[in-house]
Parts: sequence; structure tokens; C-alpha cells
Amino acid sequence: DVKVTQSSRYLVKRTGEKVFLECVQDMDHENMFWYRQDPGLGLRLIYFSYDVKMKEKGDIPEGYSVSREKKERFSLILESASTNQTSMYLCASRRDENTIYFGEGSWLTVV
Amino acid sequence: GENVEQHPSTLSVQEGDSAVIKCTYSDSASNYFPWYKQELGKRPQLIIDIRSNVGEKKDQRIAVTLNKTAKHFSLHITETQPEDSAVYFCAATRSSNYKLTFGKGTLLTVNP
Repeated sequence: DVKVTQSSRYLVKRTGEKVFLECVQDMDHENMFWYRQDPGLGLRLIYFSYDVKMKEKGDIPEGYSVSREKKERFSLILESASTNQTSMYLCASRRDENTIYFGEGSWLTVV
Repeated sequence: GENVEQHPSTLSVQEGDSAVIKCTYSDSASNYFPWYKQELGKRPQLIIDIRSNVGEKKDQRIAVTLNKTAKHFSLHITETQPEDSAVYFCAATRSSNYKLTFGKGTLLTVNP
């Protein structure tokens, strides 16, 4: 059974803090994604990675960066958190053209 | 890039009725179209998908149709049940190593 694990489920951070959201998958998938989910806006792609050290901007990359040093791990970084980054963040992974699997989600509140 | 439009944003049906959710996409190179169901507080999960070489696919009470010429695809749920209540997302993508773009979601409510 595919497992995509997001280490932090609920976080509260202060404006200006640096925030790391970690995601690990155990199925040797090439592709990994970070989405942001907000009511009425659906799932918006922040960044995706199709291989180790490879990354592509999604639709809303501003204010975010990512790191993929190992195939199984994809990290989302908020260099200086702002209140408009309060949201639910979903990590996902897939192999080639097949099913995309999501993690449980990380609820981030920036105060 | 790809743009996926999904309608309606909310849908309320009586138990036993059918529900239809429609999506359009902009990138004619897209060839894989999955549908995800997200129950309250849970992660989205794949319920059915279709590839561009197929016009229709069915799995029990759920079916998906694809019209490549018009660049739209639809989710059909028959004999709806209260446990079908959830947010449904459509998505589109090209081949591997390419981003997956989602629609904004449809909140389906099935009233007992």
C-alpha cells in the first residue's frame, strides 16, 4: 500500500518565520508534488519534482521554495511566512502516468 | 499551461438520483484524466480515471466519459447514496514528468 507521509499535521507559525513542511513517500515514485488547498480555489500546484534535484514551478510558486535531495523526500519551504500562506498543504507522489497519491495534509496557520 | 474548469461548484441531489459533474480542459496534449473524491477532513483519493484513447469507462455506479474533440470529460454517479457526499475534483495532465492540474472541485451533497 502506497504511503505518502507528511510529518507535520498542524502547525502554527509567526509571520516572518521560516517554515519547513516535509513529505516522504515509500514507493520509489519519480514525481512528487506540493499543492495548496483553499476553499473555493481547489488544489493549486506550488511546485513539482520529476527527479532528484529537479524541480519545476507550478501555478503559485511565489513565496515558496522546495528541496529534493533524495528520491523519497520532498520538502516545501516558506522562507518568510505570511498570513496569506495560512492554508492546507498537500503533498503527493506518482510514478509516470499513473495514479497520484496524496498525503494526509498539513494545516498551517500563520499568525 | 493547462487550465481545467469544473462545473458545478455545488450539487445537491436526492438519494437514488444521478449526479453529473463536468470538466473542460485547454491543453490538447493532455491524455490522462483522473477524478478524485475528498471526504471531509481526509485526503483526496482516486475513484476513476480515463486515458485519451478511451471514450468511456465504468466502475459499478461511477462512469467517466471523454470527448477529446470538445476537450471535456464528465463524471456520472448513478443511484447516489449519502456516503457519496464529498468534494469531487477532476484533473488533467500530459504524460509522465508533467504537472497535474486540478479543477476547483464540486461539493456533492446527497440528501437521504
